[in-house]
Parts: sequence; structure tokens; C-alpha cells
Amino acid sequence: ETGVTQSPTHLIKTRGQQVTLRCSSQSGHNTVSWYQQALGQGPQFIFQYYREEENGRGNFPPRFSGLQFPNYSSELNVNALELDDSALYLCASREQNTGELFFGEGSRLTVL
Amino acid sequence: GENVEQHPSTLSVQEGDSAVIKCTYSDSASNYFPWYKQELGKGPQLIIDIRSNVGEKKDQRIAVTLNKTAKHFSLHITETQPEDSAVYFCAAREGSYNAGNMLTFGGGTRLMVKP
Repeated sequence: ETGVTQSPTHLIKTRGQQVTLRCSSQSGHNTVSWYQQALGQGPQFIFQYYREEENGRGNFPPRFSGLQFPNYSSELNVNALELDDSALYLCASREQNTGELFFGEGSRLTVL
Repeated sequence: GENVEQHPSTLSVQEGDSAVIKCTYSDSASNYFPWYKQELGKGPQLIIDIRSNVGEKKDQRIAVTLNKTAKHFSLHITETQPEDSAVYFCAAREGSYNAGNMLTFGGGTRLMVKP
């Protein structure tokens, strides 16, 4: 049990639509990040948030955006969905003292 | 940026045998190397990690070794059990504050332990 919960677990969208994925991390884990995991591949870093501000981003376009809230929850928003956005989206929070990264179970997005 | 290569992509062993998974990384600034186990339909679970000031770390049946000079690190699982069957990922992270949560993952190894 990592203490990181994500919702929804599965969802289906069509091309061009927008999606919001949600994550709740442990109290005290004030750094959260999002990863995209395509089928059969390792997770790829999308961005991270610290104290409600984005402070690191991977190679993803601006239509991927996020928010972090004071209650240790966060959101990943994806606009103008494309077929290639179909993947497992993982939220991870960082333990402050050890730097260990703990992942949620993910939200599996299918874009038709 | 960092690039992590992982081998083999699949590994099949008999129950009780040992399994070894190897990774190489490209960025000499990386100083944190975790290993994750991912079961079907679940998120990655941290199983062991190592920092660059240590050459080896062991936790029961699992051990990780790090060779900074050669930029490679390995996961060793002894006395494998069927429940060890899963996909294993290595990862690397640069040590600067701004690196934060940015892990670069290898492509994964599907480990199958045959009873």
C-alpha cells in the first residue's frame, strides 16, 4: 500500500476530447509527478509539481497540463486527445526524507 | 538527457534458481537507482534502491549492485518463487534538486518463474 490513490481506474474517450485524471497522495508528500506508460514500455516522465507549481517537465506538449492542490491532491489534464495518448497514467509522490518515489495503481486511458 | 538500457527483455527461470537483470545508464550525474516490480494491472512497486555512494545493497532475497565507473547496475533475485513473476523496471535519477521526481526508466524485463 503506497498511500497514492488515483481515479478513475479506467476510462474511454474519443479523439479530440479532453480528460482529467485525479490523484491523492500521502500527507506530507509535497512533490507529485505524473508518468505515461504505453503498453509494453517503461513509464515516461510528464511533469512534476512542488508546492502547487510545475517545476519540471518531460518531452510532452503543452496540451498536457496539471494542477496540484494544498490537500496533497493533483490533476492531470489532457486536451485534444490523440490515439497515441492511450496509455496507463501513473501518479507518484515523493517521500521527503528518503526521496523514494511511490506510485499509484494508475488510470488506464483508451482513446478511440 | 539520461538514457537507461535494460536487459534481458524477458527472462524465464525455474523456481529456486537465481535471476539477474542488468541496466546501463548514460548520465554520470545520476546518483539514485531504484528498481520497481509491476504486476499485471497495477502500478510499479519500489522493491529496492541504491545510491551512488554505495556499491551493493541487499534485502533478503533481493540485492542490487552498482558500478559507477562502468555506469551499470544489476538486480539479483535468489531462490526465485512463482510470486516473483512480474515485469521489473530499473530507473535512474540525477541528483540535483531540480531533478525531483524525474526518473528515467529502462524498457522492463518480464520475469517468469516456472514452478
